[in-house]
Amino acid sequence: AQSVAQPEDQVNVAEGNPLTVKCTYSVSGNPYLFWYVQYPNRGLQFLLKYITGDNLVKGSYGFEAEFNKSQTSFHLKKPSALVSDSALYFCAVRVGGVYNFNKFYFGSGTKLNVKP
Amino acid sequence: GAVVSQHPSWVICKSGTSVKIECRSLDFQATTMFWYRQFPKQSLMLMATSNEGSKATYEQGVEKDKFLINHASLTLSTLTVTSAHPEDSSFYICSARDSPTGYYGYTFGSGTRLTVV
Repeated sequence: AQSVAQPEDQVNVAEGNPLTVKCTYSVSGNPYLFWYVQYPNRGLQFLLKYITGDNLVKGSYGFEAEFNKSQTSFHLKKPSALVSDSALYFCAVRVGGVYNFNKFYFGSGTKLNVKP
Repeated sequence: GAVVSQHPSWVICKSGTSVKIECRSLDFQATTMFWYRQFPKQSLMLMATSNEGSKATYEQGVEKDKFLINHASLTLSTLTVTSAHPEDSSFYICSARDSPTGYYGYTFGSGTRLTVV
């Protein structure tokens, strides 16, 4: 079965410090991995994706993520957190194939709190 | 970039009435759109896949007669919650493939907060 796990419900970090939001996945076939951010009562905003190529992917707002095939992980990182980064972050995997080509599997979400 | 507009952003309706939510792709054509439901502090659950000119494909456990989906044009999909009940209160989000194959990107709408009283 396909699944995405975000082991931390909440991550707290001080402004200016590096942040990591963890994501691991379990899928059959090649995974296409995504990170989205959601602000209160808003839809999801795309941050970055991994399809193929370099394992380190750079995205919007200074975020980056590292694809690790052996550990089946796709952790989101940022070198220096901002208070405005406080939001809910979702990891998602889209599985290729005839029947599941369009289906996203979302993690449970991680709330990031950046304190001044 | 690709934009998906969702309307209304919030709606309050009485129990037993129906409410329609619109999802529009503003600057691209979307043959396929997706409807998600999100409960408080939970992840998004795919409800159905909306295909232009054909019937929607519903996920297991989603009531087709309660959540009516119509995708009559390449830029508009609608979700109608029929005979709404308080347990239908939720945050509904649509998304669309923003490229011909959807190989890379899916754009999400801003969501609709439905409250049934």
